Amino acid sequence: GEDVEQSLFLSVREGDSSVINCTYTDSSSTYLYWYKQEPGAGLQLLTYIFSNMDMKQDQRLTVLLNKKDKHLSLRIADTQTGDSAIYFCAETAKNYGGSQGNLIFGKGTKLSVKP
Amino acid sequence: IAGITQAPTSQILAAGRRMTLRCTQDMRHNAMYWYRQDLGLGLRLIHYSNTAGTTGKGEVPDGYSVSRANTDDFPLTLASAVPSQTSVYFCASSAGTSGSDTQYFGPGTRLTVL
Repeated sequence: GEDVEQSLFLSVREGDSSVINCTYTDSSSTYLYWYKQEPGAGLQLLTYIFSNMDMKQDQRLTVLLNKKDKHLSLRIADTQTGDSAIYFCAETAKNYGGSQGNLIFGKGTKLSVKP
Repeated sequence: IAGITQAPTSQILAAGRRMTLRCTQDMRHNAMYWYRQDLGLGLRLIHYSNTAGTTGKGEVPDGYSVSRANTDDFPLTLASAVPSQTSVYFCASSAGTSGSDTQYFGPGTRLTVL
């Protein structure tokens, strides 16, 4: 079945780059996503990448997609304490309703940024 | 614009009781979703609705029911709550069901079943 795996924790120093990795199983996923969850809040979409792209950059965020290995990564440049949050990787879940709208989430990576 | 609102913010419930979690969006989105978030398990889809009048089952639908009488509201009902339904529940909506349609999440309802 569909599954999304990511490491649970990452700790970096302020100013360093953070790289959060994710592997997924459904090679037919059209879109892959990164969501951010701050403490006590809902999820917020950070960025997404279309499956025919290898890379997408948006300010401090860089998403790399390796379709052959089904590997997705999120790089945050110049990480700040305000980036401390849980980051979720997600892929589209065709098993539910057949539409592209339903998502399968990973368990989330908790990013801790030390000053 | 409020976006998505959920009520209540938190609730403690006795096992066996019936509970409805409310979700309202003011963005006129066609699709709505209910997820539960559990420590170590991430978010799992409970039920979804691609458009008003239709609903579907997600990954963990047992013990839950939903209705979508109109575009704005998507209540989630626990007919007879059990302790394993202790979780944080998130409602979400998206304009459509294409993969490029962003899902917007509500602030969540923290439910404890004793």
